[in-house]
Amino acid sequence: GQSLEQPSEVTAVEGAIVQINCTYQTSGFYGLSWYQQHDGGAPTFLSYNALDGLEETGRFSSFLSRSDSYGYLLLQELQMKDSASYFCAVRAITGGGNKLTFGTGTQLKVEL
Amino acid sequence: KAGVTQTPRYLIKTRGQQVTLSCSPISGHRSVSWYQQTPGQGLQFLFEYFSETQRNKGNFPGRFSGRQFSNSRSEMNVSTLELGDSALYLCASSLASNRAQETQYFGPGTRLLVL
Repeated sequence: GQSLEQPSEVTAVEGAIVQINCTYQTSGFYGLSWYQQHDGGAPTFLSYNALDGLEETGRFSSFLSRSDSYGYLLLQELQMKDSASYFCAVRAITGGGNKLTFGTGTQLKVEL
Repeated sequence: KAGVTQTPRYLIKTRGQQVTLSCSPISGHRSVSWYQQTPGQGLQFLFEYFSETQRNKGNFPGRFSGRQFSNSRSEMNVSTLELGDSALYLCASSLASNRAQETQYFGPGTRLLVL
């Protein structure tokens, strides 16, 4: 099966940089995704890493190390609107299809 | 393009009843996945449908079932409801283009309360 671990909560101040780590165990690994979910909202896609290294999309960057089964999401120049839950998710090949297994989420609180 | 839509948005049922939830994917998307989200367990994969066939299934009891129609719309059904089935049920669609990178687009969810 698949399992993912990420911190349950992170607090940071506006304008700062925060890193949310994710370690995973899976077979048939395809890639690591990150999703953001505001309270009462639907998860929205942020980034995807299939290869080792850093992917940058505006203020958000995501990193993957396949050999370490580890990734992180980096949020720069934090804004109050970044307060949300962030989920890492592993995409793995299983039985002819694929499924996304999510971590339990990290609640990010951005303070003034 | 319209996003993923789910109906109903809110539902209250009693134990033992059954419920059917509906999901309309983004136009052109062929894969529909269902997830259950609860505060304690997070987002848990229920099943994935592609071309009217269940392609993947999570670790849920047989009371949870689903289907997909020829227009890619999907329904999930939960029979003999239990209190623990109270959750937000999310549907996500994707192109199923067989590329490694496949973004899933989530609907707003159906919040089910079982009394």
